[in-house]
Amino acid sequence: DTAVSQTPKYLVTQMGNDKSIKCEQNLGHDTMYWYKQDSKKFLKIMFSYNNKELIINETVPNRFSPKSPDKAHLNLHINSLELGDSAVYFCASSMRGQNYNEQFFGPGTRLTVL
Amino acid sequence: RKEVEQDPGPFNVPEGATVAFNCTYSNSASQSFFWYRQDCRKEPKLLMSVYSSGNEDGRFTAQLNRASQYISLLIRDSKLSDSATYLCVVNKSSSNTGKLIFGQGTTLQVKP
Repeated sequence: DTAVSQTPKYLVTQMGNDKSIKCEQNLGHDTMYWYKQDSKKFLKIMFSYNNKELIINETVPNRFSPKSPDKAHLNLHINSLELGDSAVYFCASSMRGQNYNEQFFGPGTRLTVL
Repeated sequence: RKEVEQDPGPFNVPEGATVAFNCTYSNSASQSFFWYRQDCRKEPKLLMSVYSSGNEDGRFTAQLNRASQYISLLIRDSKLSDSATYLCVVNKSSSNTGKLIFGQGTTLQVKP
């Protein structure tokens, strides 16, 4: 029944490591997003893909690289992790068109960089 | 100036109270407005869209004032289960890209 799922739920790692977070949606949506929610609770968009095409790319360090193998999956790879990368990362999806802005979020991945 | 500004609260109210949250946005070209709800350590979920004429969904009423670039959410007869953070959300521009800008959120705590 899971609509938008992310793995892992928690990720604790050392500075300098490379890690990936995976996201999958079974809602039949064609657009997926990555958001970062920092310690002050601001939720900011990082990337968006529509049918595997990158359509939103905010000012994010190029250590962050999204990959969309198909429209149901959007993964996030982070190289050379830094302390400031510690945050909750949410994946979301929506359908282009009338309900483009109704986004369904995954449960989040809580990343802690030590 | 933040693109979407909200009073972070917290708002502590007794059950049954009426509470109102306000939000202002800076981009006059924004066309779509929403309230999302986020429970503690959970993901945000869409509560309701906000339409120009104002709209109501049960105990929740949303209003939009485009001239003042101001959005509000009124909750009547508060329940314990309404305790959460309410996020004011605006789309980035007049083009429909799905790029949403979230406010910091207003925390509501409903007490028995």
